[in-house]
Amino acid sequence: DAMVIQNPRYQVTQFGKPVTLSCSQTLNHNVMYWYQQKSSQAPKLLFHYYDKDFNNEADTPDNFQSRRPNTSFCFLDIRSPGLGDAAMYLCATSTQGQLYGYTFGSGTRLTVV
Amino acid sequence: SQQGEEDPQALSIQEGENATMNCSYKTSINNLQWYRQNSGRGLVHLILIRSNEREKHSGRLRVTLDTSKKSSSLLITASRAADTASYFCATDASNTGKLIFGQGTTLQVKP
Repeated sequence: DAMVIQNPRYQVTQFGKPVTLSCSQTLNHNVMYWYQQKSSQAPKLLFHYYDKDFNNEADTPDNFQSRRPNTSFCFLDIRSPGLGDAAMYLCATSTQGQLYGYTFGSGTRLTVV
Repeated sequence: SQQGEEDPQALSIQEGENATMNCSYKTSINNLQWYRQNSGRGLVHLILIRSNEREKHSGRLRVTLDTSKKSSSLLITASRAADTASYFCATDASNTGKLIFGQGTTLQVKP
């Protein structure tokens, strides 16, 4: 089935140690998004790619970077994770115009120790 | 900045009852969407309503949109224990191409 896959489901990283979360899609959607969701809060948009065009949210910390090497894959890099970065990270895709809404992956739960 | 506010924050009902959740937003929108999130999982798209639509149905779901009041409601009829989840509204603000989520309503359906 076409879907959005996030790996790993659970990631534990040390304070300050760079970590990369991955997202892949088989939907051939041209837009990919990364959201951060802390406990009992709304998902917060970090950035999105429209094809290869990167769009950063104004309040996304510089600590967060992203790469999209091709249509299918998108990565979230956290250069120096702090305790406050512990959260669920959600990847989503959509088509131009969002005719049918977003398709989300199952998320990666990041723990910083 | 947060676009959507949801009401109530938490709702507990008995199986078979109807559940109504409300969402208000601040700016002009292209469409408004509702998502469900089971605990510890990703979000699942439920329904999308465009700014020129007033009501939409999908199975046991009914969504209304009032652009003059900048508000929407999600009605789940004949609720089931499996409907227990958090429900989020999200708005696609005009010309931004990105979804901004509300705080969500946590629904508990008791068997």
